Amino acid sequence: DQQVKQNSPSLSVQEGRISILNCDYTNSMFDYFLWYKKYPAEGPTFLISISSIKDKNEDGRFTVFLNKSAKHLSLHIVPSQPGDSAVYFCAASGGSGGSNYKLTFGKGTLLTVNP
Amino acid sequence: GAVVSQHPSRVICKSGTSVKIECRSLDFQATTMFWYRQFPKQSLMLMATSNEGSKATYEQGVEKDKFLINHASLTLSTLTVTSAHPEDSSFYICSARDRGGSRGYTFGSGTRLTVV
Repeated sequence: DQQVKQNSPSLSVQEGRISILNCDYTNSMFDYFLWYKKYPAEGPTFLISISSIKDKNEDGRFTVFLNKSAKHLSLHIVPSQPGDSAVYFCAASGGSGGSNYKLTFGKGTLLTVNP
Repeated sequence: GAVVSQHPSRVICKSGTSVKIECRSLDFQATTMFWYRQFPKQSLMLMATSNEGSKATYEQGVEKDKFLINHASLTLSTLTVTSAHPEDSSFYICSARDRGGSRGYTFGSGTRLTVV
């Protein structure tokens, strides 16, 4: 039972354009969401996060939108740069008791930004 | 910023041997350490969660006698893959969180384990 879903395994965009990466979740107890960027054979690097009390968080070129009613979040990167090419993971945490801090990851989306 | 050092980055071992992977938090106290494994083109799957000084909590389907986790100090956690088999070959990643969560989740750089 996959609680965090990234339905697009890959996405290709042109440099300078907007990249939109999507993520859906099923567990209504999730209250904190994160996006990570990952290169092969490296650990994930934190990009941006959002709490369930917000619907938008912006940090430079990265903006995360959260639609709680739809259990959907998205990461917008604008303008996209070739160096953004990597696998992007959506992750969620929340719930009760000791499981609060566990992160549940999606399968990732490979973003390719073409020069 | 918060840094987690993970070693080794790559290891090749023979079937039946044991391999130890270390994760150290360099500039903060990691009260909670998470251990993940990732298969090619798959998600990061949580294996276990450990709190300093306590026994690790393993996810369903993860053999605790095979994947030994030690979190004896606030800056060091180890994962030992015992009696490794080729199917244990994977990418293992640790993630540390401090008590208040102010530093979020900091990931190590991962360990590529190949069992031959």
